[in-house]
Amino acid sequence: DVKVTQSSRYLVKRTGEKVFLECVQDMDHENMFWYRQDPGLGLRLIYFSYDVKMKEKGDIPEGYSVSREKKERFSLILESASTNQTSMYLCASSLSFDRVYNEQFFGPGTRLTVL
Amino acid sequence: KNQVEQSPQSLIILEGKNCTLQCNYTVSPFSNLRWYKQDTGRGPVSLTIMTFSENTKSNGRYTATLDADTKQSSLHITASQLSDSASYICVVSVTGGGNKLTFGTGTQLKVEL
Repeated sequence: DVKVTQSSRYLVKRTGEKVFLECVQDMDHENMFWYRQDPGLGLRLIYFSYDVKMKEKGDIPEGYSVSREKKERFSLILESASTNQTSMYLCASSLSFDRVYNEQFFGPGTRLTVL
Repeated sequence: KNQVEQSPQSLIILEGKNCTLQCNYTVSPFSNLRWYKQDTGRGPVSLTIMTFSENTKSNGRYTATLDADTKQSSLHITASQLSDSASYICVVSVTGGGNKLTFGTGTQLKVEL
């Protein structure tokens, strides 16, 4: 079974702090993704990566950056956390050559609260 | 604009009853449609994935249907259980869109005794 793990289930930070959210997958997937999920808005793509050291902006990249130094690990960075970044953050991964289904496997999520 | 709309927004049913959730999409060109189950405070878990050529797919008590002509899908849950209480999310991907998915906002299902 694919396993996607996230470093924290719950996180509380203060406005202006630098925040790191870590995601690790154990199935040698090329693609990794960061989403945020807010009530009534569904999941929105922040950034994704299709290879080590490669990254692409998603729909809402402002205020975020990412790092992918190793294939299995994808980090989301909030350079200066703000209260409007309070949300559920979900990491996902997928195989790059799954051209038919392109299925994404999700981690358990990190509930981030910025005070 | 690619959109996925789900109905109803929320639903309460008694244990043992059946229910059907709806998904309409305007995503084009269509590649595949998937249904995810998301328990409260957890990440989404895939239930079914259907491509253009598949019009029905089952996973235990869950059966998804797809009508690519009308751009509609439904998820039917048979003999509901308390553990079915969750959010059910419809997700559509586009051909040639790489990994880009369009998510619905979900139907919140509550199964009661």
